[in-house]
Amino acid sequence: EDKVVQSPLSLVVHEGDTVTLNCSYEVTNFRSLLWYKQEKKAPTFLFMLTSSGIEKKSGRLSSILDKKELFSILNITATQTGDSAVYLCAVELASSEKLVFGKGTKLTVNP
Amino acid sequence: DSGVTQTPKHLITATGQRVTLRCSPRSGDLSVYWYQQSLDQGLQFLIQYYNGEERAKGNILERFSAQQFPDLHSELNLSSLELGDSALYFCASSARDSPYNEQFFGPGTRLTVL
Repeated sequence: EDKVVQSPLSLVVHEGDTVTLNCSYEVTNFRSLLWYKQEKKAPTFLFMLTSSGIEKKSGRLSSILDKKELFSILNITATQTGDSAVYLCAVELASSEKLVFGKGTKLTVNP
Repeated sequence: DSGVTQTPKHLITATGQRVTLRCSPRSGDLSVYWYQQSLDQGLQFLIQYYNGEERAKGNILERFSAQQFPDLHSELNLSSLELGDSALYFCASSARDSPYNEQFFGPGTRLTVL
């Protein structure tokens, strides 16, 4: 069974801290890994990773994929209260184009 | 704003009833995906349509069905509703002409079954 596991489930930090969110996966036919941020409504797209070892960066957020060890990390530096959200990791299957989601990491950034 | 629209935003109904959720994909996107998000299960893929045809199926119950119309909007039909069907239902769309599948999510429909 295709599986995506995120850790930790929940994280509380202070503004200015750096956080690392983890995503590991076991899937039959990997195509890409995606990170989404979900606040109160719909998930919003952050990154798509397809190749190992290449870091994707957007402002204070960055992500990297290790296809050999089957995991990805999402780093957020100098966190702000606006970063508080659930961060979802999803793996796209090559065979069916569907996304398999992890249960998410709930990040709370306190002032 | 992702460009994906969903109606209605909220729906409250009773057990045994039938409802229809509607989704309009981003302009130019041919693929539509439906997801169910509940507190204990997280985001679960239900079904995908591409240009009017069913492309992939996930954990979709037999009481649920979907279709995609020629104008590419999609509807998810939920029948014989049970309390456990209460959840957020998301629609997402993607452009099939890119090699990888970046999905954009609509705002969701919150379904409450009483």
